[in-house]
Amino acid sequence: EDQVTQSPEALRLQEGESSSLNCSYTVSGLRGLFWYRQDPGKGPEFLFTLYSAGEEKEKERLKATLTKKESFLHITAPKPEDSATYLCAVQANNFNKFYFGSGTKLNVKP
Amino acid sequence: DGGITQSPKYLFRKEGQNVTLSCEQNLNHDAMYWYRQDPGQGLRLIYYSQIVNDFQKGDIAEGYSVSREKKESFPLTVTSAQKNPTAFYLCAVGRFQETQYFGPGTRLLVL
Repeated sequence: EDQVTQSPEALRLQEGESSSLNCSYTVSGLRGLFWYRQDPGKGPEFLFTLYSAGEEKEKERLKATLTKKESFLHITAPKPEDSATYLCAVQANNFNKFYFGSGTKLNVKP
Repeated sequence: DGGITQSPKYLFRKEGQNVTLSCEQNLNHDAMYWYRQDPGQGLRLIYYSQIVNDFQKGDIAEGYSVSREKKESFPLTVTSAQKNPTAFYLCAVGRFQETQYFGPGTRLLVL
């Protein structure tokens, strides 16, 4: 069964304290893996799409990496404005839909 | 967002009432999707449409209905058959099988 698991459920960091969020997946043929940021009461905001193992993408303090079984979202020297829930989703080759994880809620304290 | 609008932002439903959530886009994408988000759970797919006048059930379609009469619009009706409708509803659009972009969402509450 296709599945996406994100860990940890919640993460508290001090400003400037780098860390990583994990997205583990099992899917029958990965078409793409997607990272989103969601602020409370708002729709998810697209961050990255990764298509193949070894691929990396960066945006400001965020860097996403992909292996055959998991993806990491690395946050370098986070700031309080990086506080949000980060969602991971995968799409299988033979299906039209995305499978979403339940998210990691990140809180960065000043 | 930025081309995807959902209305209303908040919607209240009375017992036995059908309510309709609006999703409009001006991004010229063919595919549109409806998701439901509950606390502590991942987004769950309700319905999706790849093209005008065609739509498919997702994982939790029972108690919901949709139409796709125009490329720009994909309204979702929450019927009285949906016994637990309280949730945050998200519309997404994209080129089929590519990245999905989300609207701002509608929060549905039951009176």
